[in-house]
Amino acid sequence: GIQVEQSPPDLILQEGANSTLRCNFSDSVNNLQWFHQNPWGQLINLFYIPSGTKQNGRLSATTVATERYSLLYISSSQTTDSGVYFCAVGRDNYGQNFVFGPGTRLSVLP
Amino acid sequence: NAGVTQTPKFQVLKTGQSMTLQCAQDMNHNSMYWYRQDPGMGLRLIYYSASEGTTDKGEVPNGYNVSRLNKREFSLRLESAAPSQTSVYFCASSDPVTGLTTDPQYFGPGTRLLVL
Repeated sequence: GIQVEQSPPDLILQEGANSTLRCNFSDSVNNLQWFHQNPWGQLINLFYIPSGTKQNGRLSATTVATERYSLLYISSSQTTDSGVYFCAVGRDNYGQNFVFGPGTRLSVLP
Repeated sequence: NAGVTQTPKFQVLKTGQSMTLQCAQDMNHNSMYWYRQDPGMGLRLIYYSASEGTTDKGEVPNGYNVSRLNKREFSLRLESAAPSQTSVYFCASSDPVTGLTTDPQYFGPGTRLLVL
């Protein structure tokens, strides 16, 4: 099956710093999404981005499908950005058979 | 609009007991999903239902059964619980459009299950 890797596994930032999270996947996909899990366990979808670039406020994401990676950029980080960021990919049945990466745990310090 | 709701929020079972986790969504989504998340790990797909009346296995289906009761509801059943099934279970829904784009997945709050 498809393999998903994320780096770095852990990241500690000072408030206001920028960061880049990476997701590598082992095969072509037709669905890629980024999620944020807050410290209370709630999962929120950030981006649906199987290819190209999208921006939403301080967050943006880029997927280079031909090279099988995606990047999530967080600018001017805030303490509320803390949590775990997951990349998930899918290829079967319109990309619904999702495989999640292990996540990047982000801690933003005040 | 409640989004995706799950019941119960927390459950303790003894090995061998059975239970059903309930999930409902009010967004008129076609697709629904069940995941499990073990401590310090990502989510793993157990089963999903692309549309009412269909179900498919995900990465870790063994020990579970599902029922897509109607468009709104998707239940997960543990017939004989084992300690290895101790986990947090998340339900999600989405509304993929054939061949074009896929709506994001919306997640419920999770059910914490402890099997002793």
